[in-house]
Amino acid sequence: EAGVAQSPRYKIIEKRQSVAFWCNPISGHATLYWYQQILGQGPKLLIQFQNNGVVDDSQLPKDRFSAERLKGVDSTLKIQPAKLEDSAVYLCASSSQGSNSPLHFGNGTRLTVT
Amino acid sequence: DAKTTQPNSMESNEEEPVHLPCNHSTISGTDYIHWYRQLPSQGPEYVIHGLTSNVNNRMASLAIAEDRKSSTLILHRATLRDAAVYYCILRDVSGGSNYKLTFGKGTLLTVNP
Repeated sequence: EAGVAQSPRYKIIEKRQSVAFWCNPISGHATLYWYQQILGQGPKLLIQFQNNGVVDDSQLPKDRFSAERLKGVDSTLKIQPAKLEDSAVYLCASSSQGSNSPLHFGNGTRLTVT
Repeated sequence: DAKTTQPNSMESNEEEPVHLPCNHSTISGTDYIHWYRQLPSQGPEYVIHGLTSNVNNRMASLAIAEDRKSSTLILHRATLRDAAVYYCILRDVSGGSNYKLTFGKGTLLTVNP
């Protein structure tokens, strides 16, 4: 099966600019996750979707980050305006329904804010 | 979320078994033990999970202590491609946490040729 697709692979922007990341999950996977991974740390969950509804966005900095999953398939994560501390790898993952369904991760987008 | 404790780093030699420990003394009855690994420049990859009994799959084995307060991921014969960060995660299946995975810092495994 095709894996989770993410684009772009790399992005460099200046602080205060905006940026968007795109994710296409594995076909049929109802749950989609966005994680932020800062260098040297484990991934941190930003937002979790079940189909096109948000089930957990408690760690999403809502003053600057937004995410949507229209039609319950693809998803976009946006940062506006970006700060230096947003430099990280943004990982998208998807899973089928079920309490122990494994997460399948994409290879992420590496964002550098200068 | 229940916490896990792992060593920051471990070293192994190629073709030898590797035992990666994880302590989870506050584990609850609805927590499954999950292991993921992250190779350089890639997203995390699912390895294995279990509840009480030991588990085996094509990638690894998971040994769970009888009191469930610790577990060990076993790679039977390490290869250079197994060099990665290994994460031990407790996943609550009671539904209240939406089954989310909370990652710690993991164990960086180095495999020597």
